[in-house]
Amino acid sequence: QVHLVESGGGVVQPGGSLRLSCEASGFPFSSEVMHWVRQAPGKGLEWVARISHDAVYTQYADFAKGRLIISRDNSRTTVFLQMNSLRKEDTAIYYCVRDFGDSWSLDYWGQGILVTVSS
Amino acid sequence: DIVMTQTPLSSPVTLGQPASISCRSSQSLVSSDGNTYLSWLHQRPGQPPRLLIYKVSNRFSGVPDRFSGSGAGTDFTLKISRVEAEDVGVYYCMQGTQFPWTFGQGTKVDIK
Repeated sequence: QVHLVESGGGVVQPGGSLRLSCEASGFPFSSEVMHWVRQAPGKGLEWVARISHDAVYTQYADFAKGRLIISRDNSRTTVFLQMNSLRKEDTAIYYCVRDFGDSWSLDYWGQGILVTVSS
Repeated sequence: DIVMTQTPLSSPVTLGQPASISCRSSQSLVSSDGNTYLSWLHQRPGQPPRLLIYKVSNRFSGVPDRFSGSGAGTDFTLKISRVEAEDVGVYYCMQGTQFPWTFGQGTKVDIK
């Protein structure tokens, strides 16, 4: 079955950096588009970024452009989110999510990893 | 960006009774390919969201048939025919027609 496991979260100071990883299993990873979605504590869902199956194309939310970078390593079935110049408002649970193909939706979600930006 | 607005934001329901959530988008969700990319997701407390409905009215694998989606253009509805205890949590609509993908604020469903 589809399994997505995030890692790399933690506490970081404002202005700092962090790299999240998401290891995937149970499906042909190199054929699938992947996303990151975040959720601030007690708040709703916010789409962050998307990467094509071959890493050629990426899309970002406006707040992510220039600071957050999505990438992937198909040989390691892993998708990454490099987070730079972090702000307190980036504090959230970050979910790794698989794209649901031609349905332009999100079908399988990881358990999420907490990132806390605090001094 | 497309703004997704859900109503109500909170919905106390009685077990066995129907429930309905509305979602309105700030612009049409009909894509250039003719499809409408509106999804519904459910998040139980402490859990990640899970997909219920995609492309307005298609139930995802394993989703009970008491859940149904309808609508077109800018107005959409999720209906639960008979609410069960496991249906509590927050429901989100989401559009995948245009980047950035956007979600509604969420509707919290709990039992009266």
